[in-house]
Amino acid sequence: GEDVEQSLFLSVREGDSSVINCTYTDSSSTYLYWYKQEPGAGLQLLTYIFSNMDMKQDQRLTVLLNKKDKHLSLRIADTQTGDSAIYFCAERDGAGGFKTIFGAGTRLFVKA
Amino acid sequence: DVKVTQSSRYLVKRTGEKVFLECVQDMDHENMFWYRQDPGLGLRLIYFSYDVKMKEKGDIPEGYSVSREKKERFSLILESASTNQTSMYLCASSLISSGRGKSTDTQYFGPGTRLTVL
Repeated sequence: GEDVEQSLFLSVREGDSSVINCTYTDSSSTYLYWYKQEPGAGLQLLTYIFSNMDMKQDQRLTVLLNKKDKHLSLRIADTQTGDSAIYFCAERDGAGGFKTIFGAGTRLFVKA
Repeated sequence: DVKVTQSSRYLVKRTGEKVFLECVQDMDHENMFWYRQDPGLGLRLIYFSYDVKMKEKGDIPEGYSVSREKKERFSLILESASTNQTSMYLCASSLISSGRGKSTDTQYFGPGTRLTVL
């Protein structure tokens, strides 16, 4: 079945760039998402990219999609302590179903 | 803005109790979902509903049931709570996108209910 994988932990210094990586298996995915979860809160949609795009930029966030390798990344420029959270990669089921498949989440820790 | 609310942020129940988790969304979304979130396992889909009174099993439906009597409300029921159901439960909703070509089918999440079963 479909699977989404991402590393569990990333630590960066404040002001550096963070890059969170994700791989997925469903080649027919239509949309890919990045969600952020702060402690004690639900998931907040950060950004999404349609599968026919290579890149999307939104202020400090840059999403890169390599469809051939089924690799998605989220780059956060000038990372701040407030960016410390768990980041989930997700893909929309491309088979016309209703499911979104989530990765296990990458915990980003920003050191002051 | 889409708002998804869950009836409780924290809940403590005893083994064998019947537990109801309620979720309400205010954006007239057709799809609603229940996930559980456990450390290292990410989000796992329990059930989802694509219309009133319609439901589909997700990846881990055992020990759970759901109810969708009204479009805005989706309930998760633990018939007889067990300790291995201690978890964070997240509800989400999304627009239906098939055939309309407008929506990303983005899922909007509630704040979560942390359930502890003793």
